[in-house]
Amino acid sequence: QSVLAQPPSVSGAPGQTVTISCTGSDSNIGAVYGVHWYQQLPGAAPKLLIHDNTNRPSGVPGRFSGSKSGTSASLAITGLQTEDEADYHCQSYDINLRVWVFGGGTKLTVL
Amino acid sequence: EVLLVESGGGLVQPGGSLRLSCAASGFSFSSYEMNWVRQAPGKGLEWLSYISETGNPIYYADSVKGRFTVSRDYARNSLHLQMNGLRPEDTAVYYCATKTPGTTYFNYWGQGTLLTVSS
Repeated sequence: QSVLAQPPSVSGAPGQTVTISCTGSDSNIGAVYGVHWYQQLPGAAPKLLIHDNTNRPSGVPGRFSGSKSGTSASLAITGLQTEDEADYHCQSYDINLRVWVFGGGTKLTVL
Repeated sequence: EVLLVESGGGLVQPGGSLRLSCAASGFSFSSYEMNWVRQAPGKGLEWLSYISETGNPIYYADSVKGRFTVSRDYARNSLHLQMNGLRPEDTAVYYCATKTPGTTYFNYWGQGTLLTVSS
């Protein structure tokens, strides 16, 4: 069982907006450290998508945005494109376990 | 361009050993913390080990503590993971990933190497 909880799957049609939730606790998402998101295209390695709750690395389209509130975080993808079909993983640091923790991943299907 | 290339995966019997390597290029290897993260088939990501930019400190997940040993070779810009006492549940794709000191996210990842533990 992953420390951070994500829905196993979400779906949306091209052009629509989808959000993926990530729920943790006071010792990880609710603590001082940020939440980060990774995109994993089919058969590929994870790639950093959002860091420190809301920040996009250079090259990541503005259609991807992150937010955090309390012990939960969300990734929003607007204007869905077929190439967005991938697994999305959230990640944080747990101050009690003293380890980096991930969610179980969410598979996005673009209908 | 940052490039991380893992190697050394394969098929190992339970109880066996294997050494994974990660060749790094395109960045200042001695300035980055390095990590191993794995992904079992159809599962999520699991952080396994951390080694600081200086080589100390080193941390491990409980699932591999006492069985896996991480090291880095500054002369060859490479990261290694010595894995002993392998179990079927260690079957996964193993990724090396960089982390900038002072941050909590993994900024660059290799393509991964597959380890299968089976008799």
